Amino acid sequence: EAGVAQSPRYKIIEKRQSVAFWCNPISGHATLYWYQQILGQGPKLLIQFQNNGVVDDSQLPKDRFSAERLKGVDSTLKIQPAKLEDSAVYLCASRPLGRGTRDTQYFGPGTRLTVL
Amino acid sequence: DAKTTQPNSMESNEEEPVHLPCNHSTISGTDYIHWYRQLPSQGPEYVIHGLTSNVNNRMASLAIAEDRKSSTLILHRATLRDAAVYYCILRDVDDMRFGAGTRLTVKP
Repeated sequence: EAGVAQSPRYKIIEKRQSVAFWCNPISGHATLYWYQQILGQGPKLLIQFQNNGVVDDSQLPKDRFSAERLKGVDSTLKIQPAKLEDSAVYLCASRPLGRGTRDTQYFGPGTRLTVL
Repeated sequence: DAKTTQPNSMESNEEEPVHLPCNHSTISGTDYIHWYRQLPSQGPEYVIHGLTSNVNNRMASLAIAEDRKSSTLILHRATLRDAAVYYCILRDVDDMRFGAGTRLTVKP
């Protein structure tokens, strides 16, 4: 079974530029998550989708971050404009529609963003 | 939110058992205890989870205290590939709240 795919793996931009990350979840997984992981910290949830609807975006900085999941499959996370503090690894995870608290989340390898 | 407390780091020798502790004194009756680990330059991966009873799988064992206020992840024979950050997470809702975890170093 193919895992969660993310691209690009690395991205370096200057502050105030825009950047987009792409995620392809495991086939058939209805729920998709985006996490931000700052160096030395655990991942922090940014947004959760179920199919193409947003379930939770309470921790997404909506003034500069946006995410979409058209057609309920692939997802894109965008930052516009980027700030120095956005330097982090952006992780995508997915799971099948199921029991929620007992279901495993499957993570991709992440995209490492460096903002100069 | 229910919180967990883990040591920042631990060391182990290769092929010896490792016991990774987690305190969660404010756990509620519906919280599942999940463990994930994150190998260098990779996303987190599931290790094991449980509610009240001890659990075993091919990767590890999870020992849950009778009052559920603490748990221990047990790696029966640590290998160099087990070097990672281990996260103990309580889940009463779908999303997972990660702490800083325990960084496990395995010495040959």
